[in-house]
Amino acid sequence: KQEVTQIPAALSVPEGENLVLNCSFTDSAIYNLQWFRQDPGKGLTSLLLIQSSQREQTSGRLNASLDKSSGRSTLYIAASQPGDSATYLCAVSRLTGNQFYFGTGTSLTVIP
Amino acid sequence: DAGVIQSPRHEVTEMGQEVTLRCKPISGHDYLFWYRQTMMRGLELLIYFNNNVPIDDSGMPEDRFSAKMPNASFSTLKIQPSEPRDSAVYFCASRPGTGRSWNNYGYTFGSGTRLTVV
Repeated sequence: KQEVTQIPAALSVPEGENLVLNCSFTDSAIYNLQWFRQDPGKGLTSLLLIQSSQREQTSGRLNASLDKSSGRSTLYIAASQPGDSATYLCAVSRLTGNQFYFGTGTSLTVIP
Repeated sequence: DAGVIQSPRHEVTEMGQEVTLRCKPISGHDYLFWYRQTMMRGLELLIYFNNNVPIDDSGMPEDRFSAKMPNASFSTLKIQPSEPRDSAVYFCASRPGTGRSWNNYGYTFGSGTRLTVV
């Protein structure tokens, strides 16, 4: 079974800092990896999807990278803002099959 | 598109009662997933459907849980009888089939149903 780990579990940074969130997975035979954002009491909002053949994806201030061989992905957030405060989850899909395996998330607080 | 729509948003019920959660996936999406989220266990897949057919229900915790998808635009998750340990947020998600927008868009989640069993 795919195990997905996110470190750190919680992170607090001052506004304006660049930061990196980490995601690691045990089985490198993945189909793709997706980063989500979850605000308190809300659903999950998709941020970036990286296919297994890609190494990174960018959207605005967000950049996600994927290294399948080492079983790792990072989400880079540039010039953080208080509105970025949320829980960030990564999810990995298997090469065969359709379900995503979720990490437990990183709770980010950006201090004004 | 209005996205994945779930109802109700909140449900409080007494132990032993039947609970039915509802989901309307995005039109044209071939796959529908039911997830449960708790502080202790995070997000867990309960069951998923492909073209209205249940494919994998190995995550359904007990026989008290059942799910149906009578047509492409509607699914239900039923708990009977409910227990306090079923309290969680239940999410529905959908995605297109392989070969369509799956590679670009992945999953779309609903806003969830927060279930409290007292």
